[in-house]
This record gives sequence, structure tokens and C-alpha cells, in this order.
Amino acid sequence: EADIYQTPRYLVIGTGKKITLECSQTMGHDKMYWYQQDPGMELHLIHYSYGVNSTEKGDLSSESTVSRIRTEHFPLTLESARPSHTSQYLCASSTGSRRTGELFFGEGSRLTVL
Amino acid sequence: AQSVTQLDSQVPVFEEAPVELRCNYSSSVSVYLFWYVQYPNQGLQLLLKYLSGSTLVKGINGFEAEFNKSQTSFHLRKPSVHISDTAEYFCAVSDNTDKLIFGTGTRLQVFP
Repeated sequence: EADIYQTPRYLVIGTGKKITLECSQTMGHDKMYWYQQDPGMELHLIHYSYGVNSTEKGDLSSESTVSRIRTEHFPLTLESARPSHTSQYLCASSTGSRRTGELFFGEGSRLTVL
Repeated sequence: AQSVTQLDSQVPVFEEAPVELRCNYSSSVSVYLFWYVQYPNQGLQLLLKYLSGSTLVKGINGFEAEFNKSQTSFHLRKPSVHISDTAEYFCAVSDNTDKLIFGTGTRLQVFP
């Protein structure tokens, strides 16, 4: 049973709007991640955090930003959404390193920008 | 640089038949290997992982995978699939750079 929650699950908005995708986990994990998932494509890491006040950009460049003020909370923000931001965004957390640790994923937030 | 190739984008199979989902990787160093499953409208869930030791790894829901270093493969198998196994399956590889690279996924469709 998942202990990592994402809201909203689905969001349809117009171009230029500011949006925040929420991600919360109750497992006390230090490490949290945001992945972008498009059909037929591999998952791409766009942001990660190894603890409070620590955030890094991932392997795929993204115009989004993240913050980590509390251990359990890792929101992702787009200041001005564009159609190119249409995608599924997956949040994950882990205890160990990505190399050996199991990632726990949320159910995803599917964003459509018109 | 490491990469992961899942050769089959879709695998249709009848219920109770065996299935193999193929995964090949490229890396010049020792790797750790993973299979994740994503059921419809859900997040990814770890199915099994290979870190070291026995090359045959058993996971949840009756799945297993075999690490073959000479062929750089980590194919996923199940001797008899169920309708509930219908999902997207992702192979992933990591090395000593702490990067986790996912494949493009294989959609397993089980028919009655």
C-alpha cells in the first residue's frame, strides 16, 4: 500500500497558468524525486532532493522548480504552463541511494496544458 | 554511459501461457538491475532487483529474472500469467554514479 500521495491526479489548464503539483510521503524518507513520464518513453528524472533544503536538477532539463521545506513534502511548480509541459509527473521517495534502494512511487499527476 | 533497451513495446499473451519480457543494458562497469511494474492508473512498484549473488532473482507475483552478464541481459519471466498481470513493465539499471536509468517499458496484455 502506497504511503506517497500526489495531488491532483489529473489537471487540465490553459497556457500561462501557474500550477503546483503536490507530493507527500509518510515514510520519513530523506530522498525524494520527480520523474516525467511520456507514452513510449523512458522515465526521466527532472528533480531530486536528499533532504530538507536540498534540491538538485535531474538528468532531463525542466522549466519546473521544486522546494523541500519539510521532509515529507516535495512540491513541483510551473510558473507559466505551456502545451510542451503536458505529461505525467511521478513523485518517488527512497531510503537508500538510487543505486541500490527501492523507489516508492506515487500514482502520478497527469497534466494537460491547452 | 549506461542505457537500457526493452526490445518489445507490447507483448500480447493468453492467460496461463508463459511470458518473457526482454531487457538488455549497456554499461562498462558493474551494474544493479531492477524491474518495476505499473498497473493502470497507478505508480510504479518494484517487482524485483539484482544487486549481487545468485543470478536468478525471484520477485513478487510469481515473476523471476535472470542476470546474464555475458549477454548483458536481465529478462523477466513468468511461467503462467494471469489477467491481473496486465500492466506496463519497466527495466532499470544503475551503476556507481548513483544514476537510475529506465527503459521505455513493455506493455503486457493478457487475454482470457
